[in-house]
Amino acid sequence: DIQMTQSPSSLSASVGDRVTITCQASQDISNYLNWYQQKPGKAPKLLIYDASNLETGVPSRFSGSGSGTDFTFTISSLQPEDIATYYCQQYDNLPYTFGQGTKLDFK
Amino acid sequence: EVQLVESGGGLVQPGGSLRLSCAASGFTFNSHGMTWVRQAPGKRLEWISYISASSSTIYYADSVKGRFTISRDSAKNSLYLQMNSLRAEDTAVYYCARDQHYYAHWGQGALVTVSS
Repeated sequence: DIQMTQSPSSLSASVGDRVTITCQASQDISNYLNWYQQKPGKAPKLLIYDASNLETGVPSRFSGSGSGTDFTFTISSLQPEDIATYYCQQYDNLPYTFGQGTKLDFK
Repeated sequence: EVQLVESGGGLVQPGGSLRLSCAASGFTFNSHGMTWVRQAPGKRLEWISYISASSSTIYYADSVKGRFTISRDSAKNSLYLQMNSLRAEDTAVYYCARDQHYYAHWGQGALVTVSS
């Protein structure tokens, strides 16, 4: 199975901060990488697909980049409603696997 | 509006069975593959199964292969997950999601608790 490792596992930031999360795959997954936001008790929400494509309706402060094994997710200016856990997910090989999550909270 | 609504979760003893349902609306169900993803308490999301639009292609994670069966009924616009030989480690919130590779639409989740 492809292992997905996110860094950091938790992150504290302030409103307006630029926030960056990385995701590393255990093997080359091209750009078959998605990012989700999950709030407590809720289903995940798709933010970015195919590494860098913004899902319809998602604010432009969210962005993604990378290919191969190393990927980055960025929030350009943190807003209060962005407090959540973020997951990366690969779909290059079955089973499709998720990162362990990055829990984002306020400093 | 796309809606996915799971039902059928609950408390079951180890070794028991449960069937989850996912009622779909707001899109052409026959045109989309469907996926089950679960999340154990405090754990990461885990992909567990996929079924294509025609049911001709089915995949399972090794953790559930041979115990869980995914199926769909186009007449009822519904997706199912038959879960047999349940174990404590199957305790999780189970989500249905539309499509194969990335999931823009999810259900609200159904909690399955396996405990004696």
